[in-house]
Amino acid sequence: DGGITQSPKYLFRKEGQNVTLSCEQNLNHDAMYWYRQDPGQGLRLIYYSQIVNDFQKGDIAEGYSVSREKKESFPLTVTSAQKNPTAFYLCASSANRADTQYFGPGTRLTVL
Amino acid sequence: GDSVTQMEGPVTLSEEAFLTINCTYTATGYPSLFWYVQYPGEGLQLLLKATKADDKGSNKGFEATYRKETTSFHLEKGSVQVSDSAVYFCALMFSGAGSYQLTFGKGTKLSVIP
Repeated sequence: DGGITQSPKYLFRKEGQNVTLSCEQNLNHDAMYWYRQDPGQGLRLIYYSQIVNDFQKGDIAEGYSVSREKKESFPLTVTSAQKNPTAFYLCASSANRADTQYFGPGTRLTVL
Repeated sequence: GDSVTQMEGPVTLSEEAFLTINCTYTATGYPSLFWYVQYPGEGLQLLLKATKADDKGSNKGFEATYRKETTSFHLEKGSVQVSDSAVYFCALMFSGAGSYQLTFGKGTKLSVIP
């Protein structure tokens, strides 16, 4: 089955620690995205990548970092510089930047 | 900039009732419009989309028509089921200077009671 996987589903970390969220897709999509969702809010774009080895900041990139070494993978690191990291993180992909985006199941990060 | 405004929830309906969730947008030009659905604890699923004026998107009994004159994309379903309980997000994508940004509304929570 083709799709987008995110792991883990739930993640707990202590304040001040960096943490990396995984996102993998087997849809052969060129573009991938990371969004953050807070209660009662829409989704906000953190980073996106249109092609391997290239990525761009979204609206709320501060305190986050990404890499895109392989077409299938787009991991997100939440650094200790992110002041309020507790949130639901969603990864998405699309065939190209202008195409419909499809979402993974999400990772809920809680910083204690 | 581009923005999407959805009716505030939560919306509570009885099974088999008619559903309307209002969505209006502000954008320069002609964006593509989407409805996504999020079931509890899950990611977003594409429900339907429309890419030009007067297009009607439909899926699983849900429909929405792209109305350029009223800048709206209201979601409707004739008879809701308990399984439709979820959060619904309206979104637009507009290409401006080569930037394809997907902009979301804040979501509308729907609860359907038996």
